[in-house]
Formats: sequence, C-alpha cells, structure tokens
Amino acid sequence: IAGITQAPTSQILAAGRRMTLRCTQDMRHNAMYWYRQDLGLGLRLIHYSNTAGTTGKGEVPDGYSVSRANTDDFPLTLASAVPSQTSVYFCASSRTFTGELFFGEGSRLTVL
Amino acid sequence: GQQVMQIPQYQHVQEGEDFTTYCNSSTTLSNIQWYKQRPGGHPVFLIQLVKSGEVKKQKRLTFQFGEAKKNSSLHITATQTTDVGTYFCAGILISGGSNYKLTFGKGTLLTVNP
Repeated sequence: IAGITQAPTSQILAAGRRMTLRCTQDMRHNAMYWYRQDLGLGLRLIHYSNTAGTTGKGEVPDGYSVSRANTDDFPLTLASAVPSQTSVYFCASSRTFTGELFFGEGSRLTVL
Repeated sequence: GQQVMQIPQYQHVQEGEDFTTYCNSSTTLSNIQWYKQRPGGHPVFLIQLVKSGEVKKQKRLTFQFGEAKKNSSLHITATQTTDVGTYFCAGILISGGSNYKLTFGKGTLLTVNP
C-alpha cells in the first residue's frame, strides 16, 4: 500500500543520546517535511525538503538535522536529545510544495 | 511573520448540533487547506480552497474561503460521533517563484456527546 512509513513508532531515550527517526515514502513525492506536535502548540515545522538533495529550516529547527539523499527517504536526527524534544513527530510528503500533505502515522519520542 | 490563528481551541457539542471552526491569517493567503486528526491518529487532508470567496461542500462539511483570502471556516452540520477529532487549517503563502510557506493553525478539538 502506497504511503509514508515512519519508524520507530515510539521510543524512550536517555538525554544526550543520538536518535534518528526514519521516514520513507513510495509515492515519488518531491517534497517532504518533519513536524512535531505538542499539546496546545499544534503542528510545528522542523525541517523540509522541496526536492531530493535540498533541505530547509522550518519554524523549530534547533537540535535537529535532516538529509535528503534520494526522493524516498527523509531521516530526522537528534544529535544529542534533550527532554524538551519529547514530542510526537510526524513526517509528511506532498507531490508539489503547494499540494496536499500526506502524513505518516507518527513517532512518539520520550526523552528522559 | 505569517501567523494563522484558529478559534475556538476546543468545542464540545451534543450530537446533532452544528459546529464551526474559524481560521484567520495576518497576511493574504494563496490558498488554504483543512485537515482532520482523529484522537491518536495522524492529520488527514480534507480539502484545499484556492479562489477568493470559494465555497466547497463534502457531505455535512462546508468550507469557505474569505473574499480577501485572509480567513476561512469549516462548518459541520448535525455533528456525529464520527466527527470527533482536531481540525486544522493550513495557510499557504507564495511569495515569488518557489518561495512558499505553509503555516498550520493550532487546531480546534471537537468532542461530541452522543
């Protein structure tokens, strides 16, 4: 079934550890995004990529990095996790940068 | 910077009552999208509005885009328990070439009492 796959579904992580959230889409969409969702704050954009090989910073990029080596994959890395990065992370993609977003199921991350 | 405000933050209704959520932008939008997120789920695209004054309907859902393209609303007629969830608007601003910004409102959580 076509769509977006995120992994892991949930993770508990000690502060200071490095963590990579994986995101893969098989729809050949050009644009991909990472959002974090926190209660009362809605969806906030962390990083995005309009096409393979390019990335850009969103609203809350500090402490996160991304890469877009190919069209399908868009991993999000926390170099040294902190408790404030406890959140639900959603990966999304769109065919064009103004098209509808398709979201993954989300990754729930807890940093202790 | 561009802001998209959404009200109310929460709405509790009795099944059968109507529901409306409003989205207001500080700047003129190119288009606006609406998403629904069920509890524990992920956001799912509902619709995109592009034209000034546009009105679109999906069964009991009516979406409007303001004449000035700075506000939008989602109205649900005769709510059902299946309507429970958080409704998000997302405004898109295109400024020259491929410079674009999509900003989500904080969402309206709808609960329905059966």
